[in-house]
Amino acid sequence: SQQGEEDPQALSIQEGENATMNCSYKTSINNLQWYRQNSGRGLVHLILIRSNEREKHSGRLRVTLDTSKKSSSLLITASRAADTASYFCATPGYALNFGKGTSLLVTP
Amino acid sequence: EAGVAQSPRYKIIEKRQSVAFWCNPISGHATLYWYQQILGQGPKLLIQFQNNGVVDDSQLPKDRFSAERLKGVDSTLKIQPAKLEDSAVYLCASSLIGDSDEQFFGPGTRLTVL
Repeated sequence: SQQGEEDPQALSIQEGENATMNCSYKTSINNLQWYRQNSGRGLVHLILIRSNEREKHSGRLRVTLDTSKKSSSLLITASRAADTASYFCATPGYALNFGKGTSLLVTP
Repeated sequence: EAGVAQSPRYKIIEKRQSVAFWCNPISGHATLYWYQQILGQGPKLLIQFQNNGVVDDSQLPKDRFSAERLKGVDSTLKIQPAKLEDSAVYLCASSLIGDSDEQFFGPGTRLTVL
């Protein structure tokens, strides 16, 4: 399985702080995707980073990919209460494989 | 653009009963996925269709689960008979081409088996 594994499992921060979550995977990939899931909007695609990219930005999100270490990180800067959600990395293979996710709580 | 539609949103049944879920993907998306998400875990792929053909159903418990996408558009996932451990959220997703693309998810159907 090419399942990604997120770390930490849970993270609690205050508004305005940065949140970093990590993902490790096992085999070669051509891209890695991050998704967010909350009760209001369901599962939503955040960003896709290809294997030949090292870093990618989208608004307050910054994703890095280190294929030599088979790891990725998602940084959310200046977090808001609305960022409270579970975050998953997913690696495509024959199917898109999700990890168990990082549960992020942002308190006002 | 309309998103992925699923129905029903909630379903409560007793074990050994049957249940069916419906999904209508985004127009023009060739690939359709059904995932099972148990509380506290990430989504697990059950079956992937490319148009009306099955690409991967290796994790589908075929003795009780079945799925079809007859005309390459909407899809139905059925459980017969249901077990307690089938309690989960069933998510449908679609993508334009395949699993290397961004996937768009529906709101899910929350199934409770009593």
